[in-house]
Amino acid sequence: AQTVTQSQPEMSVQEAETVTLSCTYDTSENNYYLFWYKQPPSRQMILVIRQEAYKQQNATENRFSVNFQKAAKSFSLKISDSQLGDTAMYFCAFMKANTGANSKLTFGKGITLSVRP
Amino acid sequence: DGGITQSPKYLFRKEGQNVTLSCEQNLNHDAMYWYRQDPGQGLRLIYYSQIVNDFQKGDIAEGYSVSREKKESFPLTVTSAQKNPTAFYLCASTPGGLGVYGYTFGSGTRLTVV
Repeated sequence: AQTVTQSQPEMSVQEAETVTLSCTYDTSENNYYLFWYKQPPSRQMILVIRQEAYKQQNATENRFSVNFQKAAKSFSLKISDSQLGDTAMYFCAFMKANTGANSKLTFGKGITLSVRP
Repeated sequence: DGGITQSPKYLFRKEGQNVTLSCEQNLNHDAMYWYRQDPGQGLRLIYYSQIVNDFQKGDIAEGYSVSREKKESFPLTVTSAQKNPTAFYLCASTPGGLGVYGYTFGSGTRLTVV
């Protein structure tokens, strides 16, 4: 079974600064996908970024980027130029590859990020 | 606009009652999922369905039941056997075999036992 660990329950960052959210995972799989989801106060889950484990290049989406360390089983999210709208809960998630119709996401416990004006 | 609709937004249940949470999607997605969210627990998988008339238990299926009679609909029933049902429930969907691109989520139902 896969596990996803987010050890920091809360973080705070000043507006316009950079913050990094940590995530580690445990799996015996070689091919898999990793995700970061954002849940703002509205509680709507929003996909922020995804990473394919067989790709060495770290994924980026505008101000969001990841540091994927496969050997260390680490998948951190960096948010640059933090904005007030980034205030949310962030979840790291794992999915095995090659499962076809049986694709299931395993989530970490989440981290609450507050952006200070 | 395509999306997932969960209703009601808030639901109150008395002890010993069964309640049903609705999840409808117009995305033509094959796979649908139910997750439960508790403070400090993340999201945990209750049930999932890949095709009509077929579904599988997730990690915390006890006390819950589902049906998948139509592709668009995946209702979740919280039965009286669920001892601690107060939680936030999220429904999600993906195109068949394309879950690796991430899920689309509904806006959730907050269930409270009174």
